[in-house]
Amino acid sequence: KAGVTQTPRYLIKTRGQQVTLSCSPISGHRSVSWYQQTPGQGLQFLFEYFSETQRNKGNFPGRFSGRQFSNSRSEMNVSTLELGDSALYLCASSLQGMGDPTDTQYFGPGTRLTVL
Amino acid sequence: ILNVEQSPQSLHVQEGDSTNFTCSFPSSNFYALHWYRWETAKSPEALFVMTLNGDEKKKGRISATLNTKEGYSYLYIKGSQPEDSATYLCAFSNDYKLSFGAGTTVTVRA
Repeated sequence: KAGVTQTPRYLIKTRGQQVTLSCSPISGHRSVSWYQQTPGQGLQFLFEYFSETQRNKGNFPGRFSGRQFSNSRSEMNVSTLELGDSALYLCASSLQGMGDPTDTQYFGPGTRLTVL
Repeated sequence: ILNVEQSPQSLHVQEGDSTNFTCSFPSSNFYALHWYRWETAKSPEALFVMTLNGDEKKKGRISATLNTKEGYSYLYIKGSQPEDSATYLCAFSNDYKLSFGAGTTVTVRA
């Protein structure tokens, strides 16, 4: 079974631009969650999508948005990029997602975003 | 914002030695605690999910215990090997999200 894939793996943008990251979950998984990791910080929860609906959102500004398609693939968009948005962005898929606290999340390799 | 803390932030251990480290989390409204291992250049990989007070899980030389009443979990590595070098993350499951600690980075010296 193929794992979680993310594209692109690396991205360089300049301040003010916008970016779209993509995540393809494991086949059969309906939940996709997004996380941001910056140096010295743990994984910060961005949002979770389940069956095309955003089920929960972390404490990030409205510049961070996402969506999920009918095939469970998800995209995350960041508009008006700031230097502080430079980070590793991870997505994770699972069967039930946050609706089941014991559900295991399977992570992708991440997208490394650098904002200049 | 849920406060999940891990200590120490990093540790070095000699090959063959055993070690352990801590994850602290809120003791109220507990649902589950997850442990993940994150090796360099790889994706985080699930180790354990724990739900019951007093629970103990084991996977090879790695084991974990859970105390939900006082809000902590220990992860133990017995007879550390170089392949155990990784960052170990714990995550508290509550209110439809996972709150991660910053991790404990373990370096095993040969």
